[in-house]
Amino acid sequence: ETGVTQTPRHLVMGMTNKKSLKCEQHLGHNAMYWYKQSAKKPLELMFVYNFKEQTENNSVPSRFSPECPNSSHLFLHLHTLQPEDSALYLCASSQGGTPGLTETQYFGPGTRLLVL
Amino acid sequence: GQNIDQPTEMTATEGAIVQINCTYQTSGFNGLFWYQQHAGEAPTFLSYNVLDGLEEKGRFSSFLSRSKGYSYLLLKELQMKDSASYLCVLNQAGTALIFGKGTTLSVSS
Repeated sequence: ETGVTQTPRHLVMGMTNKKSLKCEQHLGHNAMYWYKQSAKKPLELMFVYNFKEQTENNSVPSRFSPECPNSSHLFLHLHTLQPEDSALYLCASSQGGTPGLTETQYFGPGTRLLVL
Repeated sequence: GQNIDQPTEMTATEGAIVQINCTYQTSGFNGLFWYQQHAGEAPTFLSYNVLDGLEEKGRFSSFLSRSKGYSYLLLKELQMKDSASYLCVLNQAGTALIFGKGTTLSVSS
């Protein structure tokens, strides 16, 4: 257990569905991240939130919409996804401050998403 | 990521020693992480090197040479549970962490 939880762990959705992924961290951190991990590819950073403010959007399509209501919770709202969006979506948190400093990130277990 | 190069796969036997190499290119180096990721699970932190040299933590050690853009993760006394993907992660100035593709290590008996 890393102190970062994600729900659901598995999700199957159609291309017209709307769903949300949830992440919660119990570490008292102030920065939270969404990553996408596809087979045979490195982790791809999607979004970064620092103190509830989005500081990075890594050219992610608008069908992915993040929400960070407070420093402990992070959501990823999904709408009209494509089959190529099927992947493992990982949430992480770190102490806070600017990404790129000496910050160890702690990851949740991920949501395995399949888009049909 | 494109700035990081590490082998795709490695195999070893129980009790052996294995070294996983990582080379990187960057214009602003802050540090280098190693993470372990078992299949279907979250990456977990193993080590972080900022200065040149070897850092030892039990069976695992990590080495860094900033001038050569090179790091390695050394695993001793391999166990079956060490079968996992090992991610070399660059902490580059001005950007978020950059993850390598990972090295899948298979340990056999």
